[in-house]
Amino acid sequence: DGGITQSPKYLFRKEGQNVTLSCEQNLNHDAMYWYRQDPGQGLRLIYYSQIVNDFQKGDIAEGYSVSREKKESFPLTVTSAQKNPTAFYLCASTGGTLLYNEQFFGPGTRLTVL
Amino acid sequence: SQKIEQNSEALNIQEGKTATLTCNYTNYSPAYLQWYRQDPGRGPVFLLLIRENEKEKRKERLKVTFDTTLKQSLFHITASQPADSATYLCALDLLDSWGKLQFGAGTQVVVTP
Repeated sequence: DGGITQSPKYLFRKEGQNVTLSCEQNLNHDAMYWYRQDPGQGLRLIYYSQIVNDFQKGDIAEGYSVSREKKESFPLTVTSAQKNPTAFYLCASTGGTLLYNEQFFGPGTRLTVL
Repeated sequence: SQKIEQNSEALNIQEGKTATLTCNYTNYSPAYLQWYRQDPGRGPVFLLLIRENEKEKRKERLKVTFDTTLKQSLFHITASQPADSATYLCALDLLDSWGKLQFGAGTQVVVTP
């Protein structure tokens, strides 16, 4: 089965800790994205990567970091600098040779700061 | 400022009726507009894409219209079923945005038997 997996499904963090959210895809997609979703708000783009070893900041990158060492993997680290990290985090990918494709989303990780 | 607006109030509809959702935007010039379905606690799932030069797109019981003059898209679910209950998100795909999407907050649809 092709798709995107995110782990863990639920994550609890103490204030001051860094945590890393995993995102893996076996769709052979070049582009990958991280979004944050808060109640009553649209998805907001944190970081995106169009190709391996390259990534760009999205609209709300402060307090987050990413890496793209492999095509299949795009982990997101929520650092202690992120002041309000409690949210639902979604990873997505899009591929093929067209620029304008639908995005495929993972099941999400719900992060709660204790 | 740039805004994407979807009805924040849930749309309650009886089974068999047509649900119509609205997506309005300001200060954007999207090349494409996409609609997604999201169930509680899950990631969105792509439903339909409509291009700026297309007026209407259909897929089974779903229909999308796109009016770039009014800066509005309408999303219709005909012959609605309880299984259609979910939140529906519109997303703008901007020219030269390299696949980045701008999402609305979504409208919840509740279909009752």
